[in-house]
Amino acid sequence: NAGVTQTPKFQVLKTGQSMTLQCAQDMNHNSMYWYRQDPGMGLRLIYYSASEGTTDKGEVPNGYNVSRLNKREFSLRLESAAPSQTSVYFCASSESSVTYEQYFGPGTRLTVT
Amino acid sequence: GDSVTQMEGPVTLSEEAFLTINCTYTATGYPSLFWYVQYPGEGLQLLLKATKADDKGSNKGFEATYRKETTSFHLEKGSVQVSDSAVYFCALSEGGSYIPTFGRGTSLIVHP
Repeated sequence: NAGVTQTPKFQVLKTGQSMTLQCAQDMNHNSMYWYRQDPGMGLRLIYYSASEGTTDKGEVPNGYNVSRLNKREFSLRLESAAPSQTSVYFCASSESSVTYEQYFGPGTRLTVT
Repeated sequence: GDSVTQMEGPVTLSEEAFLTINCTYTATGYPSLFWYVQYPGEGLQLLLKATKADDKGSNKGFEATYRKETTSFHLEKGSVQVSDSAVYFCALSEGGSYIPTFGRGTSLIVHP
């Protein structure tokens, strides 16, 4: 049982390049999330997927797109990377139950130069 | 809307000292409350939770009690260790909402 996995762990991009961050969970959770974490800003929600087949914007969706490929996988795409997107990105999943406790992946550290 | 306020850090303690990290919240209903911990270079992991008023969550020597009357969920540990050095996040989620609300996080540094 691997929990939530993310690839890659580290990435360096040049401004304008594109990339996709991959996330998968093996806990049969319905809901999945993408966050970014910046110093002094806490966690900010980018997009979430309440269930397979649905996606919704979070607090900071601009510059990102997502795909809920199936129940297990939820990817985040940067179409044209900007230095402001330098951050640590976390994927999380949760059960669709009363408490919605979250399970996080190890993160992707992205630098855009 | 919902919000979570945590004390700002860093909190710096000596080993075996008593720890309190304050957390207060505002919510429209009756949320579940959580503490998550993030060790350096890792993702967040659930430390403890409480789902109703007066519940006490506990794990690894940490405790927090859901206080509805003061809308608080303070994290405590009687004797911290160097290995407890991490960032601690208070969070809430309300039934029917898929989106949790996180505090900004409090960094704890424990010196030998």
